[in-house]
Amino acid sequence: SYELTQPPSVSVSPGQTARITCSGDALPKKYGYWYQQKSGQAPVLVIYEDNKRPSGIPERFSGSSSGTMATLTISGAQVEDEADYYCYSTDTSGNHRVFGGGTKLTVL
Amino acid sequence: QLQLQESGPGLVKPSETLSLTCTVSGGSISTSSYYWGWIRQPPGKGLDWIGSIYYSGSTYYNPSLKSRVTISVDTSKNQFSLKLSSVTAADTAVYYCARHYVVGGATDYFDYWGQGTLVTGSS
Repeated sequence: SYELTQPPSVSVSPGQTARITCSGDALPKKYGYWYQQKSGQAPVLVIYEDNKRPSGIPERFSGSSSGTMATLTISGAQVEDEADYYCYSTDTSGNHRVFGGGTKLTVL
Repeated sequence: QLQLQESGPGLVKPSETLSLTCTVSGGSISTSSYYWGWIRQPPGKGLDWIGSIYYSGSTYYNPSLKSRVTISVDTSKNQFSLKLSSVTAADTAVYYCARHYVVGGATDYFDYWGQGTLVTGSS
């Protein structure tokens, strides 16, 4: 089965830049997507197709992808950005749709 | 604004079948390029895609759950449903329904989600 690997946790001070990585063998050929999940809430899409931002998502959220790694960057992280972040993608066949294990972002 | 709402029993006995329905409002379930999916999240753990269905009835299932999962659609009611058989405690999770945007072999993501419903597998 296919796997996406994320660090369990990332910690930054308010105003700093947070970077969360996601590693997967199919990422050179498949788009990466990012979801934000705050405690007790449903996930929210923050980045799609590697680097596009849905309407209503603040500009401080950006995405990039290079080789087997996708990266979510939060420039000038704010306390309200504290959440779990999940990457999502598929394997090259498209049969395995997987989420990464999630990264807990702490901003304090 | 599209909204999705899960409904169904919150407690399922081991070996029995979990059944959930997702009601879509604010838009039609019979829209091209949109599948309708189920994702679950065990308490304190990550997200796990279960499967997705197109309004025509075409389905994709997670290979690891395929033998126990059936997803169906009722376009007249703008609903789709999940059945998971032979439930165990390991199936205890928050179950989300979501709109699944799929275009060709490239674009593939969930954009609108329901609030989720907790289902516990226990006697």
